[in-house]
Amino acid sequence: RKEVEQDPGPFNVPEGATVAFNCTYSNSASQSFFWYRQDCRKEPKLLMSVYSSGNEDGRFTAQLNRASQYISLLIRDSKLSDSATYLCVVRGDYIPTFGRGTSLIVHP
Amino acid sequence: DGGITQSPKYLFRKEGQNVTLSCEQNLNHDAMYWYRQDPGQGLRLIYYSQIVNDFQKGDIAEGYSVSREKKESFPLTVTSAQKNPTAFYLCASSIERDYQETQYFGPGTRLLVL
Repeated sequence: RKEVEQDPGPFNVPEGATVAFNCTYSNSASQSFFWYRQDCRKEPKLLMSVYSSGNEDGRFTAQLNRASQYISLLIRDSKLSDSATYLCVVRGDYIPTFGRGTSLIVHP
Repeated sequence: DGGITQSPKYLFRKEGQNVTLSCEQNLNHDAMYWYRQDPGQGLRLIYYSQIVNDFQKGDIAEGYSVSREKKESFPLTVTSAQKNPTAFYLCASSIERDYQETQYFGPGTRLLVL
């Protein structure tokens, strides 16, 4: 049973494009939601938390849909430096569960 | 600077050998975690600790052991019972931020079997 699922990609987009990733989760009691960014051979770094009302940080927008049990990440005006793997994290009672990540490649 | 440090960056293990990975944080976080990441895979939880002198098994604890004698330190020992230890090991600590328990990661240790 996969608790957190992500499309592994890769998503291959040109600079300036808008790209969106979804992440579905199975535990309806999940409380907290996050997106992390992981560069090749590096540790994950917190990109943003996801709040019920949705939230935005510059070019990044995160949304939560509790009814359908998914979260999304939208990246506008993609930069070459956005190329990375994006990990979805869902937290239920205490332990966070990580998705396998979605690979994004932004090309010139 | 505050942060999480892991050492060594690379570690080589011989057959039948126990090795210990270090994780230290000066963020004053109560909770600490150990994860394992294999190529193309997500992070899998090995052990976690919410307070000093207490820790719990995660999903893949077999062949690993931990201790939490100090708030700042959460070392992981990979024992000879772990038959496939080659992986990227990540330590994390967490704090409540905006009503959410948020994790921060160290730079990781790559363990290779000789």
